[in-house]
Parts: sequence; structure tokens; C-alpha cells
Amino acid sequence: QVQLVESGGGVVQPGRSLRLSCAASGFSFSTYGMHWVRQAPGKGLEWVAVIWNDNKYYGDSVEGRFTISRDNSKSTLYLEMNSLRAEDTAVYYCARGNYGSGNYFDPWGQGTLVTVSS
Amino acid sequence: DVVMTQSPLSLPVTPGEPAYISCRSSQSLLHRNGNNYLDWYLQKPGQPPQLLIYLGSNRASGVPDRFSGSGSGTDFTLKVSRVEPEDVGVYYCMQALQTPYTFGQGTKLEIK
Repeated sequence: QVQLVESGGGVVQPGRSLRLSCAASGFSFSTYGMHWVRQAPGKGLEWVAVIWNDNKYYGDSVEGRFTISRDNSKSTLYLEMNSLRAEDTAVYYCARGNYGSGNYFDPWGQGTLVTVSS
Repeated sequence: DVVMTQSPLSLPVTPGEPAYISCRSSQSLLHRNGNNYLDWYLQKPGQPPQLLIYLGSNRASGVPDRFSGSGSGTDFTLKVSRVEPEDVGVYYCMQALQTPYTFGQGTKLEIK
């Protein structure tokens, strides 16, 4: 079945970097766009970034600090996060993008928690 | 950026009764292809979000038919025709027309 498994979260000091991974299985990874969405503790959902084909787009709050990438040979999505701030503390979800009929995220991974704290 | 506004933010419902959640966007979500790029997601307690509705009114695979979406342009509604205990969680609308994709604040449905 289709599965997304995030990893790489943890505690990191402000200003430092962290790389998240999302391992995909059960579908043809290279043919889908992929998203990162985050959720701060007790808060709502915030879209972070998308990559489809060679196109990359970012949310306003992470533009210039975060980089989304993928390795289709490994069926893995990445999020390189630099210059981390306390407000980047959140659970980070990866989600598959579906564009055939509409534009929606399905499925989602279970998420990985990133805590930015000194 | 497109601003998404949901109401109510809290929704206590008696089992078997209907529930309605409103979602409004600051810009029209109607694409020139005639589709409204509005999705609904449900986040059950302790779980990641799951897709309920896409293109405003299309139920995702496996979603019970008591869930329905309607609306066009800037005004959309999610209806749960007969709420069941398993429907508790936070419901989000999301505009999928343009980046940055944006979510509503979320509506927490609880059982009375």
C-alpha cells in the first residue's frame, strides 16, 4: 500500500540546520509531486513547500531558508532547513500531491517533530 | 496570498444530527476549467490529516457518503449528514488553486 515515512526530526538550536527525509513506497514516486506541511504544537496546518518535476515552490515564512529536493532513485523526499527559528518548531508532514483530478494531498505521513530551542 | 476563513471554530454536535462547516476564501477558487480548487481534510486526534473532499464536492476514496461538500467561488460548505462518534477531530479547508496553498484555521467537531 501507499506509505510515507518521515524521519530526521529532533531538537536543534536556533540558527542551526536540519534535514528531514520522507521515504515513499507503494507507488511510482517519480511521477508525483510531493509536499511538506507543518503543524506547530496545538496550532493549525501550514503548507511549507512542493516539488513537482523540476519546479519548487515555498511558503512565505520559509522562502530562502528551506530547500525541498528529491531522489527518485531512492523514492525519498527531503527538506533541508537552515537558519532555524523557534517558530519553526512543529510536526512536519510529507504528503503526496495528486493533480490528475484537482489538486489535493493524499496520503500523508505520520510526521516528524522538529523542536528549535536553545 | 489567499486567506481562508472557517466558521465555526468549535462545533459540538449530538450523534445522529447534521453538522455544517463554512469556509470562505479571500479570492475566487474557480479555475477557468470550471473546477473549484477547494479541498477538505479531517485530522482525527493523534493522527495526520486525511483527505475528505477535493474540487469542492468530490468525495475521496473510502470516505462515507454522509460527508458532502458544496459551494463555488469564495463560499464553501462541508456537511456531515448524521454525525457519528468517529467523526470527531479538526476539519480544515484548503485552497489548492495557487501557491502558497493555504488552510483555514480549523473547526473542532466534538460530540455533545
